[in-house]
Amino acid sequence: ELKVEQNPLFLSMQEGKNYTIYCNYSTTSDRLYWYRQDPGKSLESLFVLLSNGAVKQEGRLMASLDTKARLSTLHITAAVHDLSATYFCAVHLKNTGNQFYFGTGTSLTVIP
Amino acid sequence: GAVVSQHPSRVICKSGTSVKIECRSLDFQATTMFWYRQFPKQSLMLMATSNEGSKATYEQGVEKDKFLINHASLTLSTLTVTSAHPEDSSFYICSAGGRPNYGYTFGSGTRLTVV
Repeated sequence: ELKVEQNPLFLSMQEGKNYTIYCNYSTTSDRLYWYRQDPGKSLESLFVLLSNGAVKQEGRLMASLDTKARLSTLHITAAVHDLSATYFCAVHLKNTGNQFYFGTGTSLTVIP
Repeated sequence: GAVVSQHPSRVICKSGTSVKIECRSLDFQATTMFWYRQFPKQSLMLMATSNEGSKATYEQGVEKDKFLINHASLTLSTLTVTSAHPEDSSFYICSAGGRPNYGYTFGSGTRLTVV
């Protein structure tokens, strides 16, 4: 059974601080995605990581992928209140019918 | 590009009735669409993979007779919750796409409340 675990589940941080969210998964994956979800809303795509060592950055967020360690990270730099949301990683399993599994989610609250 | 439209966004129905949710890919063809369910403050749970022109593939524990999926065209998949019960109340989200550099696009979601 595939497991996709995120750490931490809840994160409260002050504006201006840095932090990293971790995503561990239990099987070989083709691709890893990061999404943002605001309360009551659907998911917004943040990053698509396609290969080992991939690193992508957008604004204050940077995502990386280590397929050997089965680990992806989402790093937040100098957090601002607008980043408050729930962040999900998702693992794509192409060899088993294009299935797509989400992590447990990290609820981030940025405090002014 | 890669817009996925989901309708309705919110529905309230009585126990025992059926509800249909539509998921459309507006600017691309989707041979595969996915249906997820999300309970409050929880992650998304994959319910089934909808395949155009063939039967859907359901995840373990998801009742295929209760959650009917039809993918009759390359741009439309429907999820029908049959004989709905209050425990079926949830946020249902579809997704499609899967292009290498863009990933999957999600519909806006449907909030189902069964009373």
